[in-house]
Amino acid sequence: KNEVEQSPQNLTAQEGEFITINCSYSVGISALHWLQQHPGGGIVSLFMLSSGKKKHGRLIATINIQEKHSSLHITASHPRDSAVYICAAPLYGGSQGNLIFGKGTKLSVKP
Amino acid sequence: DGGITQSPKYLFRKEGQNVTLSCEQNLNHDAMYWYRQDPGQGLRLIYYSQIVNDFQKGDIAEGYSVSREKKESFPLTVTSAQKNPTAFYLCASSMRDGQETQYFGPGTRLLVL
Repeated sequence: KNEVEQSPQNLTAQEGEFITINCSYSVGISALHWLQQHPGGGIVSLFMLSSGKKKHGRLIATINIQEKHSSLHITASHPRDSAVYICAAPLYGGSQGNLIFGKGTKLSVKP
Repeated sequence: DGGITQSPKYLFRKEGQNVTLSCEQNLNHDAMYWYRQDPGQGLRLIYYSQIVNDFQKGDIAEGYSVSREKKESFPLTVTSAQKNPTAFYLCASSMRDGQETQYFGPGTRLLVL
């Protein structure tokens, strides 16, 4: 069983819709990462958060450490938001490089 | 501009051949990582290095080798022992360790002829 689970696996939305992508994890973590992978394969780090909420433009990430759950929200979605969104968590006490990645959520925003 | 570069973008490997993927960063980061991505799978760690001349195996190191002779460079060699090398390979770096934001290169797609 993957220790970081994302849902949904695929998501199709109309332009302007509010998007929510969920990430649940079963391991103790110090912080959770949200990444965006563009169709060409390049990956951009969106957020790293260990508590509460972070906002950058139309993107909002929240985390609930007690419930071991994080969400990524996109407000007023746009076709250029179409990408794969990946959450990842480093393990407490694990090897320093050991990020555990979810399988990603593929978002397609239609005009 | 600071960032991470990977080359080549596409790489073709013949049976029994070793190939080397390049990764260079000018962010002055201490830590560098190599990941493999297969369709429908999350990224998996191959090797990482937190300091020059030192590196550690990740979850799927068999059939791969690395070196870290310079802070800026972390090349990955896919050896003939890697029986299923077709994948998308991503290099990343972070200031010190995996607890920090990682910056990714554009990736190299490796295909077997």
